[in-house]
Amino acid sequence: QQQVKQSPQSLIVQKGGISIINCAYENTAFDYFPWYQQFPGKGPALLIAIRPDVSEKKEGRFTISFNKSAKQFSLHIMDSQPGDSATYFCAASKREFKLSFGAGTTVTVRA
Amino acid sequence: DAGITQSPRHKVTETGTPVTLRCHQTENHRYMYWYRQDPGHGLRLIHYSYGVKDTDKGEVSDGYSVSRSKTEDFLLTLESATSSQTSVYFCAIKPDRETYEQYFGPGTRLTVT
Repeated sequence: QQQVKQSPQSLIVQKGGISIINCAYENTAFDYFPWYQQFPGKGPALLIAIRPDVSEKKEGRFTISFNKSAKQFSLHIMDSQPGDSATYFCAASKREFKLSFGAGTTVTVRA
Repeated sequence: DAGITQSPRHKVTETGTPVTLRCHQTENHRYMYWYRQDPGHGLRLIHYSYGVKDTDKGEVSDGYSVSRSKTEDFLLTLESATSSQTSVYFCAIKPDRETYEQYFGPGTRLTVT
């Protein structure tokens, strides 16, 4: 079964708006939570990642919020731009090699 | 693409034929992975390697085998392709045990008819 559950499956946001994608996990041994961005026909590209010792990490317009007690983490895309239109995947791993991915969220930013 | 190439980039094959996909890296990274991507499933790990001749199974390894005879190449083989193996296959690398980040190649789209 999928170890990381991601929602929503898709979302549409207006240019300048905020996109929010949520993920939940069960395995408390996970200690690394990355987000990947994928454009059509391309491989996933690492966007931002967080470790469980912090509750938030921000890189430019992208922010991860992490709630260890709830076993949830989310990606916020601030001031969404048409170039942000892509599929986003959350993932989780223990250091020992294996990433478990969510099912993905297709984000469409309308101009 | 983190110095990763995959070949072929597209392939159409018939059910029952053997298929080998190649992942090549130029950075001498220790860990290499094969994933498949299907709608509604995200990416699922097929096999991975933690060194030359050292490999292990992932969550969807049935019907697949791998080999790594040199650091730079990781081969994925479908011994007898089935339609359920139609997918996009991605290779990824991780430099060493201490590094968490994985970096992905451009993918191979495989269609089994």
